[in-house]
Amino acid sequence: GDSVTQMEGPVTLSEEAFLTINCTYTATGYPSLFWYVQYPGEGLQLLLKATKADDKGSNKGFEATYRKETTSFHLEKGSVQVSDSAVYFCALQGGSEKLVFGKGTKLTVNP
Amino acid sequence: GAGVSQSPSNKVTEKGKDVELRCDPISGHTALYWYRQSLGQGLEFLIYFQGNSAPDKSGLPSDRFSAERTGGSVSTLTIQRTQQEDSAVYLCASSGGRPETQYFGPGTRLTVL
Repeated sequence: GDSVTQMEGPVTLSEEAFLTINCTYTATGYPSLFWYVQYPGEGLQLLLKATKADDKGSNKGFEATYRKETTSFHLEKGSVQVSDSAVYFCALQGGSEKLVFGKGTKLTVNP
Repeated sequence: GAGVSQSPSNKVTEKGKDVELRCDPISGHTALYWYRQSLGQGLEFLIYFQGNSAPDKSGLPSDRFSAERTGGSVSTLTIQRTQQEDSAVYLCASSGGRPETQYFGPGTRLTVL
C-alpha cells in the first residue's frame, strides 16, 4: 500500500540555519503530496502542496519539489526562525481519498 | 469563515465505557475524514465520508469503532467499550473535494483510564 517515510528527528538548529527534512514515498499512480505543520498546542495546518511531478510548493519561506524520479518531496527553508519550531508531517493522497502521513519530524530552532 | 470544530476538546473516560466525539466540518465541504494521532502509531486514517456515498471504513481498527454523518454535515465518531489503547487525539478534517486541501480541526484528546 501507499506509504511515506520521513526523517524522524528530532532536529535542532540555530536561528538562520538551513533546514532540510527528507521525505520519500511509495504509491501507485500519481499522488498529490503535502507538508503539514503542527505548532505547539495547535492543530494540523497545511504548509504547502504539490499535485504533479516537478511542481514546487512554497509557503512562508518553505519549499518542496515533487520529484517523481526519486519519489521524494523534501522540505527546505533557507533561514529558519524560532517561530518555525514545530512538528512537520509529510503526507500523500493517492488513489483513495485519505491522507497517508509520515511519522513526523520535530524541529526546534534555538535563538 | 469558521473552521472545522470538534467537541469535546478533552475526554477522560473509564475503560469499558462508550464515548462519542463530534465534528462540525466547514460549511459546504462535502468530504469529511476522521484520523487518530497517537505516540506509537503516528497519524492514522480511520474513516472517510463523501456526500451521500457509502463511507470508506477501511481504517477503523475494530468493530468497536463506528461513525455516522447526519445530513451530509455533522459527524459523530463512537467508540464502544473503550480500551486503554484507544487513548489518542482524534482529528477530524473536511475538504471541498479531491485534490483540495483537507482542513483539520483542533482534535479531541481521549484518555481511557
